Amino acid sequence: AQTVTQSQPEMSVQEAETVTLSCTYDTSESDYYLFWYKQPPSRQMILVIRQEAYKQQNATENRFSVNFQKAAKSFSLKISDSQLGDAAMYFCAYTNFGNEKLTFGTGTRLTIIP
Amino acid sequence: DADVTQTPRNRITKTGKRIMLECSQTKGHDRMYWYRQDPGLGLRLIYYSFDVKDINKGEISDGYSVSRQAQAKFSLSLESAIPNQTALYFCATSDPTGGQDEKLFFGSGTQLSVL
Repeated sequence: AQTVTQSQPEMSVQEAETVTLSCTYDTSESDYYLFWYKQPPSRQMILVIRQEAYKQQNATENRFSVNFQKAAKSFSLKISDSQLGDAAMYFCAYTNFGNEKLTFGTGTRLTIIP
Repeated sequence: DADVTQTPRNRITKTGKRIMLECSQTKGHDRMYWYRQDPGLGLRLIYYSFDVKDINKGEISDGYSVSRQAQAKFSLSLESAIPNQTALYFCATSDPTGGQDEKLFFGSGTQLSVL
């Protein structure tokens, strides 16, 4: 079974600084997808960024980017120019190609310090 | 209007009561899911359905049942609620054939408290 590990239960960063959230996963598959979801206090689950394992290029969405290391099974999220609205719980998630049953990590709570 | 709607938003019930959480969607997706979120545990899959006639157990289905009444409706039931079923419950949909690949679309969640 696939597992997703987020080893940082909590992180904090000064406003306008950069922060990196860590995620590792375990799988024997070669084709899969990785995601970062954001859950603000409203508790809505919001997709931040998505990476396809067969693509070597790291995904980027505005201030959010990932460092995808397939051999190391690592998928970290970098948030640049942190803003107060980035404060949330962040979940890393995995799914096999053609199978949308996501496996989630335990989450990292990010605090933004004004 | 939300594409994936969960009702109720919050619910308090007593041990032993039967409770149903409802989910409806206007996205036209065939695939629907129920997840449970607990602090420190992330989200875990309870049940999923790939079409109206297809229901499958997830990793933590014990104590739960589901009904897929139509493509748009997927309900989760707790036949006899117990306190450790206190959690935030999410419904989600997906459409791998519609260009959305493996992305999940979530409802806004139902916070259930069992006393």
